[in-house]
Amino acid sequence: DTGVSQNPRHKITKRGQNVTFRCDPISEHNRLYWYRQTLGQGPEFLTYFQNEAQLEKSRLLSDRFSAERPKGSFSTLEIQRTEQGDSAMYLCASSSTPVNEKLFFGSGTQLSVL
Amino acid sequence: EDKVVQSPLSLVVHEGDTVTLNCSYEVTNFRSLLWYKQEKKAPTFLFMLTSSGIEKKSGRLSSILDKKELSSILNITATQTGDSAIYLCAVGDNNDMRFGAGTRLTVKP
Repeated sequence: DTGVSQNPRHKITKRGQNVTFRCDPISEHNRLYWYRQTLGQGPEFLTYFQNEAQLEKSRLLSDRFSAERPKGSFSTLEIQRTEQGDSAMYLCASSSTPVNEKLFFGSGTQLSVL
Repeated sequence: EDKVVQSPLSLVVHEGDTVTLNCSYEVTNFRSLLWYKQEKKAPTFLFMLTSSGIEKKSGRLSSILDKKELSSILNITATQTGDSAIYLCAVGDNNDMRFGAGTRLTVKP
């Protein structure tokens, strides 16, 4: 399978714990996006990378959130001191640049904070 | 602030009906508008539109962009139960891709 891969598929954690999600984009894609989606809403933009550079961060991304893409390949999204309001589906998507902006999505990581 | 608004938020129809979903946007440095279908988890790509007035078609689905009106429509003819899903509109500028809240379509047998 050469699509976008996300791990884990599900994560249940207790409030206050740290969690880390991983995204492996399609190998030739330069851009990698993180979105958060709650029930009944469209995906909300969190951040994106062009290769290893993090080019934009949404104000939704509090200082408890950090994302990295150290070698311009896979990316991690860490949430520290999780809160119940962090419960959501975290979607990763990738695209090639500069012409094709079609995003290819992973299946997401469903986070539940108890 | 950039925004993407979809309407209606939900729609219930019967098999065979034709539906029209709407997307309007306010985005600086518009580059493209994309439609996605989301059934369970990962949104799947339907169309990408960059030029006004050119209809994109795929089977029973079609879409068109109006850059003057800052809007797009997605049409589905002869709906089937398998069309039940959330339909997402996304608009790309020079930096990122912003999504609307989606239209939840339910097609009843």
